[in-house]
Amino acid sequence: DVKVTQSSRYLVKRTGEKVFLECVQDMDHENMFWYRQDPGLGLRLIYFSYDVKMKEKGDIPEGYSVSREKKERFSLILESASTNQTSMYLCASSFLSEAFFGQGTRLTVV
Amino acid sequence: GESVGLHLPTLSVQEGDNSIINCAYSNSASDYFIWYKQESGKGPQFIIDIRSNMDKRQGQRVTVLLNKTVKHLSLQIAATQPGDSAVYFCAENIPHFNKFYFGSGTKLNVKP
Repeated sequence: DVKVTQSSRYLVKRTGEKVFLECVQDMDHENMFWYRQDPGLGLRLIYFSYDVKMKEKGDIPEGYSVSREKKERFSLILESASTNQTSMYLCASSFLSEAFFGQGTRLTVV
Repeated sequence: GESVGLHLPTLSVQEGDNSIINCAYSNSASDYFIWYKQESGKGPQFIIDIRSNMDKRQGQRVTVLLNKTVKHLSLQIAATQPGDSAVYFCAENIPHFNKFYFGSGTKLNVKP
């Protein structure tokens, strides 16, 4: 079975903290993605990576960075968390076509 | 960015009826489309896909229709069941970019 695993289901962080969201896939996929999901706005692409150490900005990269040191792991970093980054974060991986999603991390910044 | 939108944010249907969820996309170069289902507290799950060289594809109780002329995608669910209650997203994939753009989602409520 295909597996995309996000390290946390729920996180609560304070404003200004550095936050790491981890995602691991076991399908040997080249492409990995980070999205955030907000009511009425759907899924918006933050960053994606098509190979180890490669990254591309998505539509809303401001306030985020990513790291892809190994093929199976794609990390999303909030350098200094702010309350407007409270959201559901979804990681996905794909090879050529269909994207498989993790279960999501609900992050609350207080 | 690209826009992929859904016409109805919420759809309520009676159990046993057929459901139709619609989606408009804006990029005529998109060549691959997916419908995802997202249940409460879970990540999106693949339902069915279709490539731009097709106009219809059927799965188990689901059918996707693609009208490239008007850039419209629809998901039909036959004999809707309570377990179909979820938010449904369409996504488009643009060649060479290899990333997905999603609509805002339609919530499907199935009334018993």
